[in-house]
Amino acid sequence: GDSVTQMEGPVTLSEEAFLTINCTYTATGYPSLFWYVQYPGEGLQLLLKATKADDKGSNKGFEATYRKETTSFHLEKGSVQVSDSAVYFCALRVNQGGKLIFGQGTELSVKP
Amino acid sequence: DAGVTQSPTHLIKTRGQHVTLRCSPISGHKSVSWYQQVLGQGPQFIFQYYEKEERGRGNFPDRFSARQFPNYSSELNVNALLLGDSALYLCASSYERDLGYGYTFGSGTRLTVV
Repeated sequence: GDSVTQMEGPVTLSEEAFLTINCTYTATGYPSLFWYVQYPGEGLQLLLKATKADDKGSNKGFEATYRKETTSFHLEKGSVQVSDSAVYFCALRVNQGGKLIFGQGTELSVKP
Repeated sequence: DAGVTQSPTHLIKTRGQHVTLRCSPISGHKSVSWYQQVLGQGPQFIFQYYEKEERGRGNFPDRFSARQFPNYSSELNVNALLLGDSALYLCASSYERDLGYGYTFGSGTRLTVV
């Protein structure tokens, strides 16, 4: 079945360090891919998305490229800030109206 | 514009009781989905409704039910609560016709079963 696998956390970085959170997927169709962020005590916020192969989603300095050949959608940011500390979820959606399938989440902690 | 609103924000129930959670989607969104997020895990799909019809159901027992009203708001009902039902319940709405349009989530209802 369709699934998403993320790198395990927690990930601890110093401020201004480079961030990569790996995400790979398995899907029978042609999924749209998403990254969501969840700050402590809150719901999920859409961070970025990509709908087809080679699309690059970007927002707030975060980027992810839809790689069909490696079935990956890794999240990157060049210089993290303390305010980026949160849990990040990779997700896919296969069918129109279809459910979102989430990875297990990766907790990011950025230290000053 | 108002986002997805959920009520109540927090709830404490006793084992065996029944609970109803409510969700109002973003104006213009006709699809509402419910997710359960257990502490430390990713959200798990429970139900999706579109135009008042159930379009999908996750791997949850029949104790879980939902419905969507003519104004596209939705209720999630859980009967015979178990301790394991303690979780953050998230509602998400979407503009159904665009596959690439991500779901917008509410802040959730945190249910504690004691």
